[in-house]
Amino acid sequence: QIQLVQSGPELKKPGESVKISCKASGYTFTDYAMNWVKQAPGNGLKWMGWINTQTGKPTYADDFKQRFVFSLETSASTAYLQINNLNIEDTATYFCTREEVEVMDAWGQGASVTVSS
Amino acid sequence: DIQMTQSPASLSASLEEIVTITCQASQDIGNWLAWYQQKPGKSPQLLIYGATSLADGVPSRFSGSRSGTQYSLKISRLQVEDIGIYYCLQAYSAPYTFGAGTKLELK
Repeated sequence: QIQLVQSGPELKKPGESVKISCKASGYTFTDYAMNWVKQAPGNGLKWMGWINTQTGKPTYADDFKQRFVFSLETSASTAYLQINNLNIEDTATYFCTREEVEVMDAWGQGASVTVSS
Repeated sequence: DIQMTQSPASLSASLEEIVTITCQASQDIGNWLAWYQQKPGKSPQLLIYGATSLADGVPSRFSGSRSGTQYSLKISRLQVEDIGIYYCLQAYSAPYTFGAGTKLELK
């Protein structure tokens, strides 16, 4: 069955970096784009952007162009989200979600990032 | 950016009641509209895509409709397991945008 399994919770200090993984199984990794979605505590969902799993080209929403990096390890069917120079506002759960023809049909379980001094 | 105005923000309904949630798009998005259900501590689950198509495994009491730039999710007979937060998502153009969510509770 289709699964997206994300890495575990992270506790970081302001200014540090974090790298979240999203391992796909049950389908051909390069057949679907991978999107990333942020959910701050008690808040709604915010689309961060997506990465083309065939070319590796990332596209970022405006709010996520500065410190955020999407990457792939195609041989391991894994997508990554790296956040640099963390600040308090980055405290959130981050979801990976696969997309085909503008439908995000499968989601990871979410990766919690807490930024606290 | 396309704005998705979702209403109501919260809704209290009884079992077996009909529930309707709407999203108004700020411009034409065709049928590029999906609905998701999220339960506490869980990831969103796809309910409806293409504005009206039921996702695999989703009960038939869920349905989606479109009238111009207004989209609706209807639950025909509310069940206990339907409690959660519902979001619409437009995937017509980047940046994709979600509605603010509707919190559905039991009366």
